[in-house]
Amino acid sequence: EVVLTQSPGTLSLSPGERATLSCRASQTVGSSYLAWYQQKPGQAPRLLIFGASSRATGIPDRFSGSGSGTDFTLTISRLEPEDFAVYYCQQFGSSPMYTFGQGTKLEIK
Amino acid sequence: QVQLVQSGAEVKKPGASVKVSCKASGYTFTSYGISWVRQAPGQGLEWMGWIRAYNGNTNYAQKLQGRVTMTTDTSTSTVYMELRSLRSDDTAVYYCARVGGFGERFDNWGQGTLVTVSS
Repeated sequence: EVVLTQSPGTLSLSPGERATLSCRASQTVGSSYLAWYQQKPGQAPRLLIFGASSRATGIPDRFSGSGSGTDFTLTISRLEPEDFAVYYCQQFGSSPMYTFGQGTKLEIK
Repeated sequence: QVQLVQSGAEVKKPGASVKVSCKASGYTFTSYGISWVRQAPGQGLEWMGWIRAYNGNTNYAQKLQGRVTMTTDTSTSTVYMELRSLRSDDTAVYYCARVGGFGERFDNWGQGTLVTVSS
């Protein structure tokens, strides 16, 4: 089973700053099979990035994804007030089909 | 636009069963799969299983095997998730999500259904 470990657990930053979130896999993950989601309190998750680096429909270009193999990164270039939320990475594999990281909470400093 | 609308909140006693529905619209229902993901209070996301809408083929998370069943009704574009032998740690918000791309991402989500298991 592929385990995804996200770091840091909590990231405290100010609007306008750059955020870098990490997702490390216990085994190699195909780049096509790594996605990122944003979840705000009381809401369903929203797809941000798929295929490690492709933005989903309607996602602003301040969000970018990168990485390959076992190390993946979500970068938010200039934080807007609405970006403070919890972020999850997710991989698609064989067994189980899907696993999620434990999440990174991005909070206002 | 793609919409997934789930049934309302449920309160169940330990040992009971719950069946949550997810009605899809705005796309060709049989062209996509649906996954179920749950989130216990204050916790992260846990994948439960997947169903192929057009033929009902399923793949369940190992820890839920034997307790969960996912079914599809193509006449109403609705997917169902039934969880049996409920325990207190099944208390969670349950989401359905459309499986997009080549099956590697969840591109649209339902609004969530809170299931509370309490005696």
